[in-house]
Amino acid sequence: EADIYQTPRYLVIGTGKKITLECSQTMGHDKMYWYQQDPGMELHLIHYSYGVNSTEKGDLSSESTVSRIRTEHFPLTLESARPSHTSQYLCASKGILAGVNEQFFGPGTRLTVL
Amino acid sequence: SQKIEQNSEALNIQEGKTATLTCNYTNYSPAYLQWYRQDPGRGPVFLLLIRENEKEKRKERLKVTFDTTLKQSLFHITASQPADSATYLCALDTNYGGSQGNLIFGKGTKLSVKP
Repeated sequence: EADIYQTPRYLVIGTGKKITLECSQTMGHDKMYWYQQDPGMELHLIHYSYGVNSTEKGDLSSESTVSRIRTEHFPLTLESARPSHTSQYLCASKGILAGVNEQFFGPGTRLTVL
Repeated sequence: SQKIEQNSEALNIQEGKTATLTCNYTNYSPAYLQWYRQDPGRGPVFLLLIRENEKEKRKERLKVTFDTTLKQSLFHITASQPADSATYLCALDTNYGGSQGNLIFGKGTKLSVKP
């Protein structure tokens, strides 16, 4: 069982609200990732981080933002939620000394914007 | 850009048979190719990694092959069980040349094993 946690697991919210999806890992991994996944579709990388104070945009354009102030914490924020943001958001981490590019995933947050 | 195709959206097989899932890619051969399992409402779980200079990798009832000429990986589950029912994702490293980059994922194949 991977030591990577996401809260909340489910969130239903109205349009225009600001939300923060939390992701924490206790493995001391430097690299962390946020993916977006719609039902039956592939995971799309939206943000990643190489370590503290490092954040990069992924392949899929996203209106969300991320921060990395602590190694273990990689929150994702939507300033003004819209129905188009409805999706599953998955957080992952990878140890820089792991030797292989294995990613450990959290359980995900299923976001519904009404 | 790199594209990944997994052979079918769904695969139904009988318990005890061997399941074979296919992953094809279109562009450069990645340094690493990986397979993950994803259960409904959960995050993917890593199963196996195979490097470009490896032809085959095994782990218990799982076997992965990697053919850089065909640009294809095959994922086999032998003696399949109903508990193997899940969606299986193929993922490629985005860096060519050995250094590890980010991963890109296929849509997955949903495997159903009937008792």
